[in-house]
Amino acid sequence: QKEVEQNSGPLSVPEGAIASLNCTYSDRGSQSFFWYRQYSGKSPELIMSIYSNGDKEDGRFTAQLNKASQYVSLLIRDSQPSDSATYLCAVNGASNSGYALNFGKGTSLLVTP
Amino acid sequence: DAGITQSPRHKVTETGTPVTLRCHQTENHRYMYWYRQDPGHGLRLIHYSYGVKDTDKGEVSDGYSVSRSKTEDFLLTLESATSSQTSVYFCAISESMVLGLAGGKDTQYFGPGTRLTVL
Repeated sequence: QKEVEQNSGPLSVPEGAIASLNCTYSDRGSQSFFWYRQYSGKSPELIMSIYSNGDKEDGRFTAQLNKASQYVSLLIRDSQPSDSATYLCAVNGASNSGYALNFGKGTSLLVTP
Repeated sequence: DAGITQSPRHKVTETGTPVTLRCHQTENHRYMYWYRQDPGHGLRLIHYSYGVKDTDKGEVSDGYSVSRSKTEDFLLTLESATSSQTSVYFCAISESMVLGLAGGKDTQYFGPGTRLTVL
């Protein structure tokens, strides 16, 4: 069973701070990595995708990938109360059934005013 | 929600009854997926489709069947619903299964979900 691990949280950060969300995965054949945001009662919404080692920045979000360490992270700069949600790490690899995403259980983020 | 609709959005049914959930997309994407989401388990794949009439099983397929007669529609059927199938069901689509390319065509986009309660 290919695993994707995340701390469940809740991770609490003050407004304006940097939130750091982490994810490890077990399948070394993984090639595509995604971060989804999910508000309570809503569907997962894509935040970032990353395919190569290093950093990828999009606005206040930065995804970091280290394939050697099997580690992917998401940084949220200048956190806002509207960022409060559950963040899902998802990993895709050729060994997955139908190339379906393998999800972590999510980290709950709470940004306090 | 990337041109994806699911129906019904909420359903309450009784044990032993058949239930069909529908996913409809307007993106003309080839690949479609059904996931269920449960507390403590996260999202898990039920079935997927890689083309019209081409489907296969996922991690938690027991008790479910699917059909895809048109590119835009992917149906999930619970032949005889059980209480363990109470869950939130999400449909997802992707353009391709070519992995690891920055073009991101293997990115999956999710529908709004169906909350199913089996009493």
